[in-house]
Amino acid sequence: ELKVEQNPLFLSMQEGKNYTIYCNYSTTSDRLYWYRQDPGKSLESLFVLLSNGAVKQEGRLMASLDTKARLSTLHITAAVHDLSATYFCAVAPDVDDMRFGAGTRLTVKP
Amino acid sequence: ETGVTQTPRHLVMGMTNKKSLKCEQHLGHNAMYWYKQSAKKPLELMFVYNFKEQTENNSVPSRFSPECPNSSHLFLHLHTLQPEDSALYLCASSHITTGPESETQYFGPGTRLLVL
Repeated sequence: ELKVEQNPLFLSMQEGKNYTIYCNYSTTSDRLYWYRQDPGKSLESLFVLLSNGAVKQEGRLMASLDTKARLSTLHITAAVHDLSATYFCAVAPDVDDMRFGAGTRLTVKP
Repeated sequence: ETGVTQTPRHLVMGMTNKKSLKCEQHLGHNAMYWYKQSAKKPLELMFVYNFKEQTENNSVPSRFSPECPNSSHLFLHLHTLQPEDSALYLCASSHITTGPESETQYFGPGTRLLVL
């Protein structure tokens, strides 16, 4: 059974600090997705990582993928309050199948 | 309207009621999905329609019945639900081609369902 595990599940950090969210998955997948969900809202696509070693950056967020280790990281640099949300990683074992992690609820405090 | 829309946004129903959730995508995609998001479980894929053909049914109880009349519309018909079915139901769509970049799923705002 495919498992997608994120850690931590809850993260409280101060503004200006750095932190990394980890996503491990249990089966071969060449593509990994990161989504953001604000409270009471839907999921918003952040990154699509398509190959081993892929790195993508948008603002204070940087995502990377190591397909050999079956690991993706989402690094937060100099956090700001606006980044408070729940972050999900997902893998796609098939073209029309996507499996999500449990999510990491991030709270950035002043 | 743009993107993926869902109606209603909130729904309260009794266990004997019959209701339907509607999803519409305005992105020209060819695949649509139903997900269930509850407080205690990760996002669960329920149904997939790929080119209007149902290709995935992850052991979803028969009290949930999907319908995809065309590539832009997706319904989830509900009947005799249980309180544990209370959750946020999210619709998503994607465009499946040979390029992996195109498989990003775009989500609707969801329908918050409460079963009493």
